[in-house]
Order: sequence, then C-alpha cells, then structure tokens
Amino acid sequence: ILNVEQSPQSLHVQEGDSTNFTCSFPSSNFYALHWYRWETAKSPEALFVMTLNGDEKKKGRISATLNTKEGYSYLYIKGSQPEDSATYLCASLRGTGRRALTFGSGTRLQVQP
Amino acid sequence: GAGVSQSPSNKVTEKGKDVELRCDPISGHTALYWYRQRLGQGLEFLIYFQGNSAPDKSGLPSDRFSAERTGESVSTLTIQRTQQEDSAVYLCASSLEEGGRQFFGPGTRLTVL
Repeated sequence: ILNVEQSPQSLHVQEGDSTNFTCSFPSSNFYALHWYRWETAKSPEALFVMTLNGDEKKKGRISATLNTKEGYSYLYIKGSQPEDSATYLCASLRGTGRRALTFGSGTRLQVQP
Repeated sequence: GAGVSQSPSNKVTEKGKDVELRCDPISGHTALYWYRQRLGQGLEFLIYFQGNSAPDKSGLPSDRFSAERTGESVSTLTIQRTQQEDSAVYLCASSLEEGGRQFFGPGTRLTVL
C-alpha cells in the first residue's frame, strides 16, 4: 500500500450502535499514525497520535488500535451518539521522504437519533 | 492567540486575479502545514514548513502557488492568476514538533468565479 486508504467511505448508524472504521497505510518506514475528527463547519480536531505497534488509545467512547507491521489501524466508537456525526480522518507519517502527514479520504459517519 | 487563526475566512475572486491567504500558527509551534479540500475530495497536502529548514513544497499543484513563512510565525499562501479549479477550503495547521498532533485553523473558503 502506497497511499492511506479508509473504509467504509460513509456509514449511517442508529444512536446506541457501536461501529468501527479501518485505516490502511504504508507499513514500511512507519513513524506515526494520526486520527482526526472533522465536524461540519469546524476544523479537524486530533483524536489520537499513535506510534508503537500494538498501541491502543482511548478517549471516552472512542478507541483506536494500531498494527504497524501489517499497516492498519481501527477506530471504534461504542454506543454512537448524534454528536459523533463527523468525518473521521486518519493520516500516516513516514520516517523517510515527505515529513508531512498523508491523509486518507475519511469515513463520514452519520448517527441517527 | 489560543489557536491557529486564518484570514480571510471567505474570499471570492475573479479568475486571473492573485490572492493571498494568511495563517497565524500557535505560538511556539515549529511546524506549519497548508492543505486544501476541494468539493467532494479529501485533504490535499500543499506545503510544510519546519523551523528554519527548507520547506517541503512537494504538494503545490503548480508554479502559480507559493508560500512563505516568517521565522516560526505567520505564513502566507499566494495563488497567482487564480483558476476556477483553485476553489477550495484552504486549511492551515501547526504542531509543536515535526510529526506531532496538528492543530487546525478554521480555514479560508476561496471561490474563483
């Protein structure tokens, strides 16, 4: 994988459902993996910065895991709420080459009350 | 200031005109990034400044685009002879260090008529 890919592209769930998204990134020369939440009419906001294989991060009902050897990260939302509706972006930073994040196209989550 | 600020928030211009967008990063942040999001697309990296190092301009789409940063403070993104395809939201972000969590500004919505 040369680019950062996210799936699904969009997701509609009911309030209370748990959900998860996938981010695939280049595993070679891995440095860091970021997750951001981007709500409509607002700026992207950092959720997690992950650097170690096997890392697990948690922030309230949101958690993320990281597998640097196979190049994927999962973002989980437990008991989705309408305020979780946003686009979730992941971004990869490699140890060589461009020293800026490469973003995926995002997963757009809509939580219906 | 408390966060990253950008100006103007909205800019409408005529095709062929030059525009200048401004970003004020968080004080003390050595890294500064410019991105854009065109309608229906993901975040696109444009340029990255890190301290006094030469900027990474690898994301600039054409030679009509240029950016400058004064020390570790204000940055300006200039688009010469604007085209309709330049219409996008231009986002600036800063981070305390290379690869660290990025703090985004509110963006400048550019419309080229």
